[in-house]
Amino acid sequence: GNSVTQMEGPVTLSEEAFLTINCTYTATGYPSLFWYVQYPGEGLQLLLKATKADDKGSNKGFEATYRKETTSFHLEKGSVQVSDSAVYFCAYDDYKLSFGAGTTVTVRA
Amino acid sequence: NAGVTQTPKFRVLKTGQSMTLLCAQDMNHEYMYWYRQDPGMGLRLIHYSVGEGTTAKGEVPDGYNVSRLKKQNFLLGLESAAPSQTSVYFCASSYRHEQFFGPGTRLTVL
Repeated sequence: GNSVTQMEGPVTLSEEAFLTINCTYTATGYPSLFWYVQYPGEGLQLLLKATKADDKGSNKGFEATYRKETTSFHLEKGSVQVSDSAVYFCAYDDYKLSFGAGTTVTVRA
Repeated sequence: NAGVTQTPKFRVLKTGQSMTLLCAQDMNHEYMYWYRQDPGMGLRLIHYSVGEGTTAKGEVPDGYNVSRLKKQNFLLGLESAAPSQTSVYFCASSYRHEQFFGPGTRLTVL
């Protein structure tokens, strides 16, 4: 069946480091793909999305490109800040959202 | 706009007790969802609704019931709580593929 697999954490980085979180999916057809972020003590919120192959989603310095050939949607940020410490979820949408297990990212000053 | 709100924020139950979690949204969204979040397992869909008066099962519906009597409210019920239902519960509503989440309810079943 359809599923999404993301890189296991936790990930600990220093400020201004480069962040990559891998996400791959298996699906029939071409679902929309999403990254959601959950800050401590809060619900999830949409970070970025891409609805078709080769689309690039971007927000708050984060980017992810929908790669059909590798069935991937990796999240990247060139220079992280302490405020980026959160749990990041990759998700895909056929008729409902299905989430990866989440990757905890901690950025140290 | 309050967005998606959930009550209560925290609850402790004893095994066998019942309770209802309330979710409300003021965005006039048709679709609403209940998830549970457990460590290392991401979010798992319990039940969802595509409109007032309709509900459907998600991945992990056993032990839960839901009702959507009004468009803005989506209730999640536990008839006889079990320790395995200790979790953080999130409600969400959606519009055009974007889901909007509530702040969560932390439930502990002893």
